[in-house]
Amino acid sequence: DAGITQSPRYKITETGRQVTLMCHQTWSHSYMFWYRQDLGHGLRLIYYSAAADITDKGEVPDGYVVSRSKTENFPLTLESATRSQTSVYFCASSEWMGQEQETQYFGPGTRLLVL
Amino acid sequence: ILNVEQSPQSLHVQEGDSTNFTCSFPSSNFYALHWYRWETAKSPEALFVMTLNGDEKKKGRISATLNTKEGYSYLYIKGSQPEDSATYLCAFETGGGADGLTFGKGTHLIIQP
Repeated sequence: DAGITQSPRYKITETGRQVTLMCHQTWSHSYMFWYRQDLGHGLRLIYYSAAADITDKGEVPDGYVVSRSKTENFPLTLESATRSQTSVYFCASSEWMGQEQETQYFGPGTRLLVL
Repeated sequence: ILNVEQSPQSLHVQEGDSTNFTCSFPSSNFYALHWYRWETAKSPEALFVMTLNGDEKKKGRISATLNTKEGYSYLYIKGSQPEDSATYLCAFETGGGADGLTFGKGTHLIIQP
């Protein structure tokens, strides 16, 4: 009964390095999301995915890349990390069944520090 | 960029008292309004998803109302307990399908014994 997990939970990296944050869900939810949480901004959507091989930009996608080759995984890559990407990153998933809106379920978060 | 406002930003309430706070959102292109409870060092936990104007939902001592025409939702907590201390987030969903949520910055609730 793992639900939705994120790894690593904590990461320190240097400016310019590539970093990948992993997200895995066991519910076979169609939809997956990446948010970042910053003081003064709340949660902001980076990217989302409606199904495997379908991804779309959210509010703050610049500097990030996502992929969704399998339904259960939705990795987020920072191609060349910058200090402004220091944040807490949350992955979420949900299922949408026609007209019935489903809630989003959040992972535990990854704290990323870019030096 | 959609504007979702929550007020107040923070709130101190005496244990046993009831309280409420507000979420304001665009009244156009409304699809759903979500409420989450977020405890420190944990992930947001869903409370309610509300879709219909006039909707009222209840979970234990917590309830919420929705007015989509004027663009606001209230969250009420009756008889506050220390375990209610958390940040309460509302999130606005537009259009159809799960395109991601636009979150407010939250109301940080502290219950004082």
